[in-house]
Amino acid sequence: AQSVTQLDSHVSVSEGTPVLLRCNYSSSYSPSLFWYVQHPNKGLQLLLKYTSAATLVKGINGFEAEFKKSETSFHLTKPSAHMSDAAEYFCVVSDRRGYQKVTFGTGTKLQVIP
Amino acid sequence: DVKVTQSSRYLVKRTGEKVFLECVQDMDHENMFWYRQDPGLGLRLIYFSYDVKMKEKGDIPEGYSVSREKKERFSLILESASTNQTSMYLCASSLTPGQGSDTQYFGPGTRLTVL
Repeated sequence: AQSVTQLDSHVSVSEGTPVLLRCNYSSSYSPSLFWYVQHPNKGLQLLLKYTSAATLVKGINGFEAEFKKSETSFHLTKPSAHMSDAAEYFCVVSDRRGYQKVTFGTGTKLQVIP
Repeated sequence: DVKVTQSSRYLVKRTGEKVFLECVQDMDHENMFWYRQDPGLGLRLIYFSYDVKMKEKGDIPEGYSVSREKKERFSLILESASTNQTSMYLCASSLTPGQGSDTQYFGPGTRLTVL
């Protein structure tokens, strides 16, 4: 069984300050982990993914995430928030073994204050 | 770029109607998925397909069926729509069957309201 928990449903930051969106996962096997972003009235877009290579993963638009097996975490960070980062972010865990059974987190809405 | 299109952005139907949601992808992907998205619940998998005419139930298949007659097209069917099926429906595709590390590519979504 697998699960993912996004620890904050809403995060508010000022423009130019760091962003931290937290995600914890549970998986019986070596997982793949993803962050997707959804801008208002748009479909989801991949930000970054971890498969089994480097534990620090860089994504688009300056985002990165670090896979920490000991903490079962995959937190998303960005050094400096931009107004265009305001969106909903989903952490996703996938069982790498078989068919693509994926589990989505409940989402974190990021608000960026000018 | 992969493009996933959905037949309607907004749809309003009456209780008891049969509803078809269509999804088309243009990158020869093997896998296709239907999710519903509800506030506070994230995305929940309804059905997926890893090959033409093949389908597998996801986490919440009750009240839904699917059809995949051609590789590029995956349809979600609500046999008798109910108000609790009012939701945003998202279609996605990915390249390789059985490859959990594949990126999923999403359509823009269909917001269905059942009155």
